[in-house]
Amino acid sequence: AQSVTQPDIHITVSEGASLELRCNYSYGATPYLFWYVQSPGQGLQLLLKYFSGDTLVQGIKGFEAEFKRSQSSFNLRKPSVHWSDAAEYFCAVGARGSTLGRLYFGRGTQLTVWP
Amino acid sequence: NAGVTQTPKFQVLKTGQSMTLQCAQDMNHEYMSWYRQDPGMGLRLIHYSVGAGITDQGEVPNGYNVSRSTTEDFPLRLLSAAPSQTSVYFCASSPPIAGGLNEQFFGPGTRLTVL
Repeated sequence: AQSVTQPDIHITVSEGASLELRCNYSYGATPYLFWYVQSPGQGLQLLLKYFSGDTLVQGIKGFEAEFKRSQSSFNLRKPSVHWSDAAEYFCAVGARGSTLGRLYFGRGTQLTVWP
Repeated sequence: NAGVTQTPKFQVLKTGQSMTLQCAQDMNHEYMSWYRQDPGMGLRLIHYSVGAGITDQGEVPNGYNVSRSTTEDFPLRLLSAAPSQTSVYFCASSPPIAGGLNEQFFGPGTRLTVL
């Protein structure tokens, strides 16, 4: 079965610092991978996705993520964090084949940004 | 397009009461899903549907029913509410993609409290 691990429950960074949020997945083949962001009291917004091809994907708001098959990872990065990036971030994996439409989410990483 | 809409935004129930959470999308998406979000647990899939008339169980289906009579609507029914069902509920929809999985679009959520 698919699963997603986000090892960091809470991360604090200073505004302007770089950011990396970790995501590891368990899946027997190449999965679909997503990063979503959730601001307080809001729904989830897609930051970026990986389906195939180039393993470095660019997303909205200056975020990028790199798919590393050998490490089963899909870490999210941003070179310079803004105060408005404070939110909760979720990594998700989707399976190919018979379970289309199902996403498995990690438990989330809460990002706090210091001014 | 209104996207994915959910009603109500907030609801308080007493143990044993039943209710229906409404979800509608106007994007003609085939896939629709219901998730619940609990602190530290991420999002867990309750039920999903790959098209009108077709539904299936997710990770945590007990105590919930769904039906999909139209492409647009995917209501979630709580049969006999329990305090363990206190949560934030998100509906999501996704367009089809041949042989693959597309991103999911989320509604704003329904915050449910069961006393």
